[in-house]
Amino acid sequence: QVQLQQWGAGLLKPSETLSLTCAFSGGPFSDYFWNWVRQPPGKGLEWIGEIDPRRGTSYNPSLGSRVTMSLDTSKSHFSLELSSVTAADTAVYYCAARYYDILIVHSLDVWGQGTTVTVSS
Amino acid sequence: DIQLTQSPSFLSASVGDRVTITCRASQGIGTYLAWYQQKPGKAPNLLIYAASTLQHGVPSRFSGGGSGTEFTLTISSLQPEDFATYYCQQLNRYPFTFGGGTKVEI
Repeated sequence: QVQLQQWGAGLLKPSETLSLTCAFSGGPFSDYFWNWVRQPPGKGLEWIGEIDPRRGTSYNPSLGSRVTMSLDTSKSHFSLELSSVTAADTAVYYCAARYYDILIVHSLDVWGQGTTVTVSS
Repeated sequence: DIQLTQSPSFLSASVGDRVTITCRASQGIGTYLAWYQQKPGKAPNLLIYAASTLQHGVPSRFSGGGSGTEFTLTISSLQPEDFATYYCQQLNRYPFTFGGGTKVEI
C-alpha cells in the first residue's frame, strides 16, 4: 500500500523559510508525479507545484520565485521550501502524488497527513 | 490560469437525496478533471479522475460526467458519511487549479 508521511517545522516567523519533507513508501518512486497543496484556515485548496521526475518542476505563479521543490530519489523523499513567509502563508500543507501513466492523466490519489504551518511574530 | 467555478457553494440535503454539483472551467480542459471529498481535519480523498472514472474503492453511488468546460459530480443516494466538502481540480494545464469547494450539509 503506497503512502506518504510528511514532517517539518510548524511555527515560523515572518521572513523565515518554510521547509517540509515527504517520504514515500509502498511502490516505485519513479512511477509518480510529486505535488504540494496547501489550505489556509477555513478556505479552499491551493496547488503549489509538481515535480515530474522526467521533465522537471512546475510551480504556481502566484508564489513567484519563493518556492522550490526537490527530490531525493535515494531516500524516496521530496521536499518543499517556501522563502520569505508571511502570515498569508499560514495553512495546512499537504504532500500528494499521482501515478504516471502514458495513456491516462491520473489525479492526486495519495496524500500525506498534512502539516499545519503557522507564521507569526 | 484556468479558473474553476463550482456551484453551489453550499448545499443542504437529506440522507437518500440525489445531489449534483457542477464545476465550470474558464476554458476547455477535455476530460482532465478530478473530484475530491474532504472531511474536517483530513486530507482530501480522490473520488473521480478523468472526469468520469471512479477511483478504486469509491462507492458506486458517486459518478462524474462532462467534458470541455462543464462537469458534474452526482451522488445518487446521499449517505451520512457523504456530508463533507467537495472540490474539483483541473489537470489539463499548469498551474493545476481547484474549484472553490461545495459544502454538503444536512
